Amino acid sequence: QVQVQESGPGLVKPSQTLSLTCTVSGGSISSGDYYWSWIRQPPGKGLEWIGYMYNDGTTDYNPSLKSRVTISGDTPKNQFSLKLRSVTAADTAVYYCARVPGDFWSGFMDVWGRGTTVTVSS
Amino acid sequence: DIVMTQSPDSLTVSLGERATINCKSSQSVLFSSNSKNYLAWYQQKLGQPPKLLIYWASTRKAGVPERFSGSGSGTDFTLTISSLQAEDVAVYYCQQYHSSPPTFGGGTKVEIK
Repeated sequence: QVQVQESGPGLVKPSQTLSLTCTVSGGSISSGDYYWSWIRQPPGKGLEWIGYMYNDGTTDYNPSLKSRVTISGDTPKNQFSLKLRSVTAADTAVYYCARVPGDFWSGFMDVWGRGTTVTVSS
Repeated sequence: DIVMTQSPDSLTVSLGERATINCKSSQSVLFSSNSKNYLAWYQQKLGQPPKLLIYWASTRKAGVPERFSGSGSGTDFTLTISSLQAEDVAVYYCQQYHSSPPTFGGGTKVEIK
């Protein structure tokens, strides 16, 4: 059974870059049967989709974050990562990585990590 | 972006009774080419990640209890819990994946009366 798990610093200073990694176990990020996505949830609020990557290097990002976001994969380590530049307090959230089934972008997330809390503060 | 509006914001239901959550999209999420509604439902219990319940508006994910069902088409959708159990206390979210970016509703909190 596929599992995904987020890791990274829990505290990031304003204007710096938030960097998170998602480790996939029980499956391969190089599989053409899935996309790999990041979603976030500010404290007490709803869910916001950040973006995805596919095994051929294809990516797509939420336009609201596109200028600051990069999602990339590390096939040998079976990990994919999120980088969010120039963070502010508004980027404080629980960040989730997730799997999206399909060899075409279906868009619903069927496996989620437990999430990692990132606080932006000096 | 497609705006997803859920109602009600919160719902209090007796054990064993029916719970109904509504979700409305600002534009149709039905693809005429394949007749599929690009709509999913998630359950999020306190302190946990979201869990996929329903996709393609009415397809239950394997392992999800049959008391959860999804219906609707176009812009109006419903998640029904036919007989509420104590373990169903959670926030429920709808999500459209018809157009990028995928967007979520604001959530509906379900509690026991």
